[in-house]
Amino acid sequence: AQKVTQAQTEISVVEKEDVTLDCVYETRDTTYYLFWYKQPPSGELVFLIRRNSFDEQNEISGRYSWNFQKSTSSFNFTITASQVVDSAVYFCALKTGAQKLVFGQGTRLTINP
Amino acid sequence: DAGVTQSPTHLIKTRGQQVTLRCSPKSGHDTVSWYQQALGQGPQFIFQYYEEEERQRGNFPDRFSGHQFPNYSSELNVNALLLGDSALYLCASSPSGAYNEQFFGPGTRLTVL
Repeated sequence: AQKVTQAQTEISVVEKEDVTLDCVYETRDTTYYLFWYKQPPSGELVFLIRRNSFDEQNEISGRYSWNFQKSTSSFNFTITASQVVDSAVYFCALKTGAQKLVFGQGTRLTINP
Repeated sequence: DAGVTQSPTHLIKTRGQQVTLRCSPKSGHDTVSWYQQALGQGPQFIFQYYEEEERQRGNFPDRFSGHQFPNYSSELNVNALLLGDSALYLCASSPSGAYNEQFFGPGTRLTVL
């Protein structure tokens, strides 16, 4: 069975601080895909990144970076120099040969001015 | 290029009633998935449609049914509504293939009284 755990339920930081959101996944499949989505108060899930199981390269996109480590089954997300607009609920998700996305419980991130 | 659209935005029903939610996928996408998101939780997979057939189903009772039309749009039907069916219902579309990320619509907020 597939499972995604986001142990941090809520995080609150002051603007310009760096913040890391943790994600740990479980699967027996050797081929799988990991995703991060952002859900602002409007409710729509916004796709941020996809990473496949064969590609352990870290990725940086502006203030966002992702650290994928198969050895620890983790796919962590870091926001550098956080801004108020980053406030949202962030979900980590896993997809295997099956078509469904398995989501974690989400981390509510609040950036205070 | 329009993204995924859903209707209605909000809906209020009473226990025992039936409801139909609608989804139009992003242009070029042929696969539609439905998710239920209870308050404070991550989305839970209901089912996925491809080529007008249900391809995969999550752990939801038969009260939840769906349909996909030749133009790839989809409907989610829920019969005999329960209070516990109150949630945000999210539709996601993607090209076929496990590799592809799913793009989500804004959701339909269903309240069952």
